[in-house]
Amino acid sequence: QLQLQESGPGLVKPSETLSLTCTVSGGSISSSSYYWGWIRQPPGKGLEWIGSIYYSGSTYYNPSLKSRVTISVDTSKNQFSLKLSSVTAADTAVYYCARQRWYQLPDAFDIWGQGTMVTVSS
Amino acid sequence: AIQLTQSPSSLSASVGDRVTITCRASQGISSALAWYQQKPGKAPKLLIYDASSLESGVPSRFSGSGSGTDFTLTISSLQPEDFATYYCQQFNSYPHVYSFGQGTKLEIK
Repeated sequence: QLQLQESGPGLVKPSETLSLTCTVSGGSISSSSYYWGWIRQPPGKGLEWIGSIYYSGSTYYNPSLKSRVTISVDTSKNQFSLKLSSVTAADTAVYYCARQRWYQLPDAFDIWGQGTMVTVSS
Repeated sequence: AIQLTQSPSSLSASVGDRVTITCRASQGISSALAWYQQKPGKAPKLLIYDASSLESGVPSRFSGSGSGTDFTLTISSLQPEDFATYYCQQFNSYPHVYSFGQGTKLEIK
C-alpha cells in the first residue's frame, strides 16, 4: 500500500533554511487524482497546512508562510520537497507530508507520513 | 481566509457515551470539510470527508453531518480507543487555503 516517509535534518539554525523531502512508495506521485501536501504541528499545538503540489508542479501555499515556502516535486524519484527559509524558533514543529485527494476539487488528506520533528535552535 | 472554530476545546466523556463535536466556518464552504483523529505521537487519521462520507475502514460509530457553515462529528458509542484529539479541516477552493480547526481533546471521565 502507499506509504510516505519524511526525511531531513532534525536541527536547523535560526535564519537558515529548513529542507525536508517526502518519499512516496507503493504508488506513483504522478497520479492525476492527487496533490501532495505538507502540514506541521508545533509541540502541544494544533495542525497548520503549509502547502500542496501537483505532479506537474502546480502549487498552493498558506498565505501566512508563502513568502518563505517553496514546495517542489521530482517525479523521477517519486519525491516532493519542502523548503522554508529564514526560520525562527516559531518554526519548531513536527512536519508531516500527506497525500491530498483531488477529484476536480480539493479534498481531504487521506494518507500521512509518520512525521519528523524539526527543532530550530543555535 | 476562512477560519474554523471547534467546540468544545476539550470534553470529558465515558465509554458508551454519545459525543458530538461542532465545527463552524467563518463563511460557507458547502460540504468541503473533513474530520481527523489524532493520538499522541501519531499522525492524524482521516475519519470523514466531504462532511458526511465515512472513510474506508473507519468504524460506523463515527458520523459527520452539516453543510455551509455548521458541521458536526458524532461518535455514537464511545470506545476506549476513541479518546484522542479531533480536528476539522476545510477545503474551500477560493482561495485555496485549507485551514484546520483548533482541535477538540476528548478525554476519559
